[in-house]
Amino acid sequence: DIQLTQSPSFLSASVGDRVTITCRASQGISSYLAWYQQKPGKAPKLLIYAASTLQSGVPSRFSGSGSGTEFTLTISSLQPEDFATYYCQQLNSYPFTFGGGTKVEIK
Amino acid sequence: EVQLVESGGGLVKPGGSLRLSCAASGFTFSSYSMNWVRQAPGKGLEWVSSISSSSSYIYYADSVKGRFTISRDNAKNSLYLQMNSLRAEDTAVYYCARVCCSGTAFDIWGQGTMVTVSS
Repeated sequence: DIQLTQSPSFLSASVGDRVTITCRASQGISSYLAWYQQKPGKAPKLLIYAASTLQSGVPSRFSGSGSGTEFTLTISSLQPEDFATYYCQQLNSYPFTFGGGTKVEIK
Repeated sequence: EVQLVESGGGLVKPGGSLRLSCAASGFTFSSYSMNWVRQAPGKGLEWVSSISSSSSYIYYADSVKGRFTISRDNAKNSLYLQMNSLRAEDTAVYYCARVCCSGTAFDIWGQGTMVTVSS
């Protein structure tokens, strides 16, 4: 099974900060990686697919990069509505797996 | 509006069974692979099962293999998860989700249905 390691697991930041979250895969997954945002009591929301493609309707301050085993999600200028938990997911092979999550909280 | 709505969750005793449903609307359901994903209270996301558009390909997480069965009825625009031999560790919110983007993400998620396994 492919393991996804997200770091950090917790992040404290201020509005306007640039934030970067890393997701490392235990083996190569090409660009079969997605990023999701989840707020308490809500379903996950797709932000980025194919490692770097912005989902329709998602603000351009979100961006994704990487391929193979190393991926990043960047929020260029953190907004109040961005405080949430973020997950990466690999869809290269079954079983599909998620990273452990990164909780972004207000500093 | 493109939408997925889960139902069928509830409280069940260990060893019991439950059948979850996911009703799709606003898109051509029969063209998409579908999945179940769960989230235990306070924990992260766990993929549970996948089914291809025509039900030809089915996959399960090891944690549910042999106990859960995924199925779909394209005529009824519905996805199902039959859960047998339930355990306390199956307690979670269960989401159905649609595959998109050439298989690189899940773009549409339901609101989730809570399953609690407890005596």
